[in-house]
Amino acid sequence: AQTVTQSQPEMSVQEAETVTLSCTYDTSESDYYLFWYKQPPSRQMILVIRQEAYKQQNATENRFSVNFQKAAKSFSLKISDSQLGDAAMYFCAPVQGAQKLVFGQGTRLTINP
Amino acid sequence: DTGVSQDPRHKITKRGQNVTFRCDPISEHNRLYWYRQTLGQGPEFLTYFQNEAQLEKSRLLSDRFSAERPKGSFSTLEIQRTEQGDSAMYLCASSLVVGAGTEAFFGQGTRLTVV
Repeated sequence: AQTVTQSQPEMSVQEAETVTLSCTYDTSESDYYLFWYKQPPSRQMILVIRQEAYKQQNATENRFSVNFQKAAKSFSLKISDSQLGDAAMYFCAPVQGAQKLVFGQGTRLTINP
Repeated sequence: DTGVSQDPRHKITKRGQNVTFRCDPISEHNRLYWYRQTLGQGPEFLTYFQNEAQLEKSRLLSDRFSAERPKGSFSTLEIQRTEQGDSAMYLCASSLVVGAGTEAFFGQGTRLTVV
């Protein structure tokens, strides 16, 4: 079974600064997708960014980018120019089998004004 | 609003009672998933449907749990003889799977408290 480890239960960053959230995973599959989802307080989970494992180029979505190291099975999320609205729980999730997500335990990100 | 909707948002029930939750996915999404999220943890997969067919169930889904998706539209998740350990947020997600890596869209969840 896939396992996902997010070793930082909580992180905080000053507004406008950069923060990196770490994630490692274990899989026996050769091609798969990796996702970062964001869960703001009392709101639904939304997709932040996705990465296909066979693509070596790291995905980027505006202020969000990933550092994907396939051999190390590492998939970190970098948030640049942090904004107050970025405060949320962040979950790393590889896609296993039939598109079902396997979530890590999450990192709670606090943005300090 | 055309997102995933779940009803009710909150449910408090006494131990031993049955509860049923409903999920309305985004129209024409062929996949529907149920996840359970306990406090401070990431969501855990429970089951998923491809249209009306339930294709996979997690070991977490004991025989007290049953899910349906009649006609491939909305879905219900029923828990019989609830236990305090069933207290959690139950999340529904849907997607239109046309290939790998499809985004799942989540509802706001149903928070169940068993007293």
